[in-house]
Amino acid sequence: DIVLTQSPLSLPVTPGQSASISCRSSQSLLHANEYNYVDWYLQKPGQSPQLLIYLASNRAAGVPDRFSGSGSGTEFTLKISRVEAEDVGVYYCMQSLQTSRTFGQGTKVEI
Amino acid sequence: EVRLVQSGAEVKAPGESLKISCEGSGYGFINHWIAWVRQMPGKGLEWMGIISPINSDTRYSPSFAGLVTLSADRSTNTAYLQWTSLKASDTAVYYCARLGFEGLIVLPTGVFGGYFDLWGRGTLVIVSS
Repeated sequence: DIVLTQSPLSLPVTPGQSASISCRSSQSLLHANEYNYVDWYLQKPGQSPQLLIYLASNRAAGVPDRFSGSGSGTEFTLKISRVEAEDVGVYYCMQSLQTSRTFGQGTKVEI
Repeated sequence: EVRLVQSGAEVKAPGESLKISCEGSGYGFINHWIAWVRQMPGKGLEWMGIISPINSDTRYSPSFAGLVTLSADRSTNTAYLQWTSLKASDTAVYYCARLGFEGLIVLPTGVFGGYFDLWGRGTLVIVSS
């Protein structure tokens, strides 16, 4: 299975500042079709996860533009510019290059 | 409104069977694969498997193959996750999620891509004697 390693695992943030989360894969997630099969999800406290970024850099519908995804191959980053209080929760990356999808361990973002 | 509605919380004894549901509405249910994701208490997300409602093509995580069964009923727009004999270690919240289309590749050898663009609220399953 592909292993995804997120860092940091805990991220204290200050409202108005930016924050970045890294997701490193044990194998390249770049397919021959040029898609990078990594997505980012946010699970707010007491809620189900929600899609933020798909295929490495595409913002999901309704997601504020302060969220952005970048990277290719084995290294990916989720950036939150101008963090807001509502952004607290656990962020997960997930790969779907293999049928057996795997998630990163999660990064807890707190104010 | 586009949504996935999951069945309510369950409390079961070890060894009992259980089937939980996930009903889609507001979109073409049969056109999207459905995934199931487990979250054990205080832990992260684990992918269990996916099913295509149009033909019940099913792919399981090796960690869950043989332990659970996925099924779908096209006539009621509902996907199911079931156990024949629950264990205490099955205590968790179970989410269903819809797979998006872009980048999705379906082959006999595997199903690649398909981000989870719509999630249910989860079903809490407690297994305790």
